[in-house]
Amino acid sequence: DVKVTQSSRYLVKRTGEKVFLECVQDMDHENMFWYRQDPGLGLRLIYFSYDVKMKEKGDIPEGYSVSREKKERFSLILESASTNQTSMYLCASSLWGGRLNTEAFFGQGTRLTVV
Amino acid sequence: DQQVKQNSPSLSVQEGRISILNCDYTNSMFDYFLWYKKYPAEGPTFLISISSIKDKNEDGRFTVFLNKSAKHLSLHIVPSQPGDSAVYFCAAPSAGGTSYGKLTFGQGTILTVHP
Repeated sequence: DVKVTQSSRYLVKRTGEKVFLECVQDMDHENMFWYRQDPGLGLRLIYFSYDVKMKEKGDIPEGYSVSREKKERFSLILESASTNQTSMYLCASSLWGGRLNTEAFFGQGTRLTVV
Repeated sequence: DQQVKQNSPSLSVQEGRISILNCDYTNSMFDYFLWYKKYPAEGPTFLISISSIKDKNEDGRFTVFLNKSAKHLSLHIVPSQPGDSAVYFCAAPSAGGTSYGKLTFGQGTILTVHP
């Protein structure tokens, strides 16, 4: 059974803290993604990685960075958490190899609250 | 620039009736579309997809229709069941270069099926 696992379901952090969200997939997928979900805005892409150490900015990268040192692990870093980063964060992975392999598998999500 | 749009934030349907969820896109380069379903506090799960070489794809109670000239797709659920109550997202992958597999999502439609 395919699996994308996010390290925390719920997190509460203080403004200004550095926050790490971890994601691990066991499907040997090349692509990994971080999205955030907010009501009325859908899922917005923060960062995308198509290979180890490779990353591309998504639609809303400001205030975030990522790290992919191993194929199975993709970390999202909030350099200095702010209240407008309170959201549901979703990690996903997919095969690289063309349009027909673009089904992405998602983790269960991390609900982050910044106070 | 919202390239994938779901203009109906919510839809309420009686059990046994048809649910129709709509999605419009602006990028004529999109040629593959996916629908995801999301329950609260869970990650989205893949539901059904369609390639632009088709205008219809069926999977059990779920059918997706694609009208390329109108840049419009719709998801039909027949008959609707209370367990179908969830948020539904349409999505399209980018094509080309390292962006293969990068999914752009719509805002989502909250479907409520009443018993």
